[in-house]
Amino acid sequence: NAGVMQNPRHLVRRRGQEARLRCSPMKGHSHVYWYRQLPEEGLKFMVYLQKENIIDESGMPKERFSAEFPKEGPSILRIQQVVRGDSAAYFCASSPRTSGAYEQYFGPGTRLTVT
Amino acid sequence: KQEVTQIPAALSVPEGENLVLNCSFTDSAIYNLQWFRQDPGKGLTSLLLIQSSQREQTSGRLNASLDKSSGRSTLYIAASQPGDSATYLCAVNGGATNKLIFGTGTLLAVQP
Repeated sequence: NAGVMQNPRHLVRRRGQEARLRCSPMKGHSHVYWYRQLPEEGLKFMVYLQKENIIDESGMPKERFSAEFPKEGPSILRIQQVVRGDSAAYFCASSPRTSGAYEQYFGPGTRLTVT
Repeated sequence: KQEVTQIPAALSVPEGENLVLNCSFTDSAIYNLQWFRQDPGKGLTSLLLIQSSQREQTSGRLNASLDKSSGRSTLYIAASQPGDSATYLCAVNGGATNKLIFGTGTLLAVQP
């Protein structure tokens, strides 16, 4: 059973470009979470999605950031018009379908560098 | 608003020593608490998950305890090894939306 997969592992974008980060949850998991780890800072929650639904986006910046988890395919975190302050490690986690508070399994992360 | 703090921020010990990492949280209404390990430039590896109804969990040389009423958890590492060197993170799951609130981490260095 493959773990949570994220790609790309490293992404370099120039200021003003768009960044698309992909996350494939573990098999059988339909809950996906995105977290961001800024340099020298802790991990912060961004958004929680289920298939075709955004459940909690309280940690998402109001502008330029969006997330989706379509019926088919991976979850996508999209950052438009990137700025240097977006440089960070972005981690995706998944948990099982069943309700309740279950263990979250993390992917290896995507390290975004904005030049 | 839930806040999670870990002390110490950094710890250096000689190989073989037993050690304790501390995690405190301000809101005791949690579903569970997870301890993670993060190696430099890598992702997170889940070490232990303690549900709110549990007092402790054990895995190999690791033992995590939870005292919800006082808002504290400890991670005990027995007979430390250089391979244990990493950053250790605790995270609480306190809401209906399952989001994890992370602590600031403890950077552990085990000297051979």
